Amino acid sequence: QQQVKQSPQSLIVQKGGIPIINCAYENTAFDYFPWYQQFPGKGPALLIAIRPDVSEKKEGRFTISFNKSAKQFSLHIMDSQPGDSATYFCAASYSGNTPLVFGKGTRLSVIA
Amino acid sequence: DAGVIQSPRHEVTEMGQEVTLRCKPISGHDYLFWYRQTMMRGLELLIYFNNNVPIDDSGMPEDRFSAKMPNASFSTLKIQPSEPRDSAVYFCASSPGTGNPGELFFGEGSRLTVL
Repeated sequence: QQQVKQSPQSLIVQKGGIPIINCAYENTAFDYFPWYQQFPGKGPALLIAIRPDVSEKKEGRFTISFNKSAKQFSLHIMDSQPGDSATYFCAASYSGNTPLVFGKGTRLSVIA
Repeated sequence: DAGVIQSPRHEVTEMGQEVTLRCKPISGHDYLFWYRQTMMRGLELLIYFNNNVPIDDSGMPEDRFSAKMPNASFSTLKIQPSEPRDSAVYFCASSPGTGNPGELFFGEGSRLTVL
C-alpha cells in the first residue's frame, strides 16, 4: 500500500534553518496532497495542503512545492523554530472522500 | 468542540486477551477512519466507514481484527485474540465529507502494548 514515499526519515536542523521534506507518489489519479504535523502523544493534524493546479502554496512559514511531471512534492519550513520539532507526514488522495495514503513520516528536530 | 475522543489512551494486556478500543467522532462528520501507527510501517489505514457503513476493510490485518460503528457517534475496534505484534498506537479520525476532501481530524490515539 506504500504509494507515497517520504524522505528523509529523520532530520536535524538548527534554529533558523530551512528543513525540506520530500515525497514522491505513484498514482497519477491523486489530486490532493496534504501535510500533517504530529507532536508526541498527539494525533496528526492538518498543516497545509495543495492541489496539482498550482506549483506552490505558502501558509505562514510553511510552503509546499509541487512538481506534477516528476510526481513529487515537498514541504519547506522557513526560519524553523524549536517548536516545529515534530513528525511530519505527507499524504495523498484523489477525488471524493477516498482515504488518505500517508508517507512513513519524517521526525524533525530543530535545535537552538 | 470536543474533537475526536478515543479510549483508553493506554492499554497493556497479555497475549491472547481481547482488546476493545473506542472512538467518538466529531458530531456531524460522515466519515470515520481507523489507522494504526508503528515505527516500521508508519500510518496504515485499517478500515473506514461512511454514514456508519463499512466501506473498505482491506487494511484489517487478520480476522482477529474487527470494527463496528453501531451509530454515528460511536465506533469500536476489537482485537481477539491479541498478539505482541499488535502493539502500536491506534488512531481514530473523522472527516466531514465536504469542504477539503481528505481533511482528517484525529483523536489522540490509543497506545496498545501486548505482552
